[in-house]
Amino acid sequence: GEDVEQSLFLSVREGDSSVINCTYTDSSSTYLYWYKQEPGAGLQLLTYIFSNMDMKQDQRLTVLLNKKDKHLSLRIADTQTGDSAIYFCAEGPTDKLIFGTGTRLQVFP
Amino acid sequence: NAGVTQTPKFRVLKTGQSMTLLCAQDMNHEYMYWYRQDPGMGLRLIHYSVGEGTTAKGEVPDGYNVSRLKKQNFLLGLESAAPSQTSVYFCASSRQYEQYFGPGTRLTVT
Repeated sequence: GEDVEQSLFLSVREGDSSVINCTYTDSSSTYLYWYKQEPGAGLQLLTYIFSNMDMKQDQRLTVLLNKKDKHLSLRIADTQTGDSAIYFCAEGPTDKLIFGTGTRLQVFP
Repeated sequence: NAGVTQTPKFRVLKTGQSMTLLCAQDMNHEYMYWYRQDPGMGLRLIHYSVGEGTTAKGEVPDGYNVSRLKKQNFLLGLESAAPSQTSVYFCASSRQYEQYFGPGTRLTVT
């Protein structure tokens, strides 16, 4: 079946860029998503990208999609302490999302 | 506009007890979902509904039942709780590309 994989942890210094990576197996996905989960809260959609796009930029966030390698990344520029959270990659149609295990981003001063 | 709300926020059950988790959304969304989140495993879909009166099984449906009698509500039932059902449960609703999540219910089964 479909699978989505992420590394578990990432630690960066405040002000640096963060890059969170994700690989997926379902090449038929139309949309790929990044969700953010802050402590004690539900998931919140950060951004998404259509499968026919290579890149999407939204303020400090840049999403890169390599369809050939089935690799998705999220770059956060000028990372702040408020960006500390768990980031989930997800793929699939809206009613059948497959989530990765999440990457815990820790930002230190 | 409260979005997606879940009741209760916390619950401790003994093995064999039953309970119902309530999810409510005020966004008039057709689709609603129940997930469980366990450490190191991401979110796994338990059941979902594509409209009032309909339900469907997700990835991990065993031990759970659901009902969608009203469009705005989606109930998740545990008939006989087991320690393996200790988890954080999230409800979500969706339209188009985005799922909106509730704040979660932390359930412990002892």
